[in-house]
Amino acid sequence: EAQVTQNPRYLITVTGKKLTVTCSQNMNHEYMSWYRQDPGLGLRQIYYSMNVEVTDKGDVPEGYKVSRKEKRNFPLILESPSPNQTSLYFCASSLYPPPTFHGLRAQYFGPGTRLLVL
Amino acid sequence: QKEVEQDPGPLSVPEGAIVSLNCTYSNSAFQYFMWYRQYSRKGPELLMYTYSSGNKEDGRFTAQVDKSSKYISLFIRDSQPSDSATYLCAMSAFGGTSYGKLTFGQGTILTVHP
Repeated sequence: EAQVTQNPRYLITVTGKKLTVTCSQNMNHEYMSWYRQDPGLGLRQIYYSMNVEVTDKGDVPEGYKVSRKEKRNFPLILESPSPNQTSLYFCASSLYPPPTFHGLRAQYFGPGTRLLVL
Repeated sequence: QKEVEQDPGPLSVPEGAIVSLNCTYSNSAFQYFMWYRQYSRKGPELLMYTYSSGNKEDGRFTAQVDKSSKYISLFIRDSQPSDSATYLCAMSAFGGTSYGKLTFGQGTILTVHP
């Protein structure tokens, strides 16, 4: 089954304790992206990756790191989490970068990771 | 000022109503316009996408883009309870430093009651 998986789905942590949220896709997609979703702010793009070893900042990259060492994985790293990073995080992938979707079913979102930083 | 503004609602309509969802934007470089639907506790799914100005229809859904006014709309005809979700608009420019970036609106919460 074609899918994007994220782990963990729920996480409670404390300020300053490094954490990694994993994202993996099984569709051989070139493009992957991380978003955070907050009430009243919609989805905001954190980082995206056009391909292996190619990453770029989105609109809210501060406090986050990413790496793309293999095509299928795109982990999100919070080196020193702070309470303002409490949010719902989504990973997404597509064969081509937006806006070249080539079909409605061309983009896949993961199930989300709910993070609480105390 | 946010690049993309969307009325968060919430919007509550009776079954069968026509629903109009709207977004305005300020970045004239945006050329591609998308609508996503997000059910509770799920990731967004791409519903429709259009390029430049004009209309696009898909079943009960119609997307409209007016680039001169920097205004996009999604119309849902004969709305059903299963349409209850959060609807997010998103926009993108093609090429240059913006390639691969998506900018979303805040999302509108829609409830269609029987």
